[in-house]
Amino acid sequence: NAGVTQTPKFQVLKTGQSMTLQCAQDMNHNSMYWYRQDPGMGLRLIYYSASEGTTDKGEVPNGYNVSRLNKREFSLRLESAAPSQTSVYFCASSEGQGWDEKLFFGSGTQLSVL
Amino acid sequence: GENVEQHPSTLSVQEGDSAVIKCTYSDSASNYFPWYKQELGKRPQLIIDIRSNVGEKKDQRIAVTLNKTAKHFSLHITETQPEDSAVYFCAAIPSGAGSYQLTFGKGTKLSVIP
Repeated sequence: NAGVTQTPKFQVLKTGQSMTLQCAQDMNHNSMYWYRQDPGMGLRLIYYSASEGTTDKGEVPNGYNVSRLNKREFSLRLESAAPSQTSVYFCASSEGQGWDEKLFFGSGTQLSVL
Repeated sequence: GENVEQHPSTLSVQEGDSAVIKCTYSDSASNYFPWYKQELGKRPQLIIDIRSNVGEKKDQRIAVTLNKTAKHFSLHITETQPEDSAVYFCAAIPSGAGSYQLTFGKGTKLSVIP
């Protein structure tokens, strides 16, 4: 039981390049999330998917797109990377049955945009 | 929307001493208050949570207290050990909201000095 798996763990991009961060969970969770973590800023929600087939914007969606490929997988795409997107990205999932749920996080992707 | 403020941003204690981290929230409808611990280079993990119908909850050396009137809640760690060194995030969410509406504080970096 791997939980939430993210790839890659590290990535360096040049400004303007594109990339996709992959996330998969094996807990049969309905809801999945993408957060970014910046020093002194805590965890900020980029996009979420409350259930398979739905996606919606979070607090900081600009410059990103997402795809809920199936119940297990939720990807985050940077179409044209900018230095402001240098951050640590975490995927997370939850059962999606209630509002007071435990979030299970992936191990993170450290992204640098030069 | 909800706003969660967390203090202090950094905290150093001697091993064996107690540590207290405080959070305030703005939305009186918030009813669920989890705490996540993130060790260096690792993923955030839930360590304890409290719901508004409970004033205090303990789990071995950690405890959380909630004052709904004052809209603040605190994490207490007793007999601190080096493995308690981490960044701690508080969070809050209104009852009935979607789990994507969980709002995090900006984190407290706790250092336990041997």
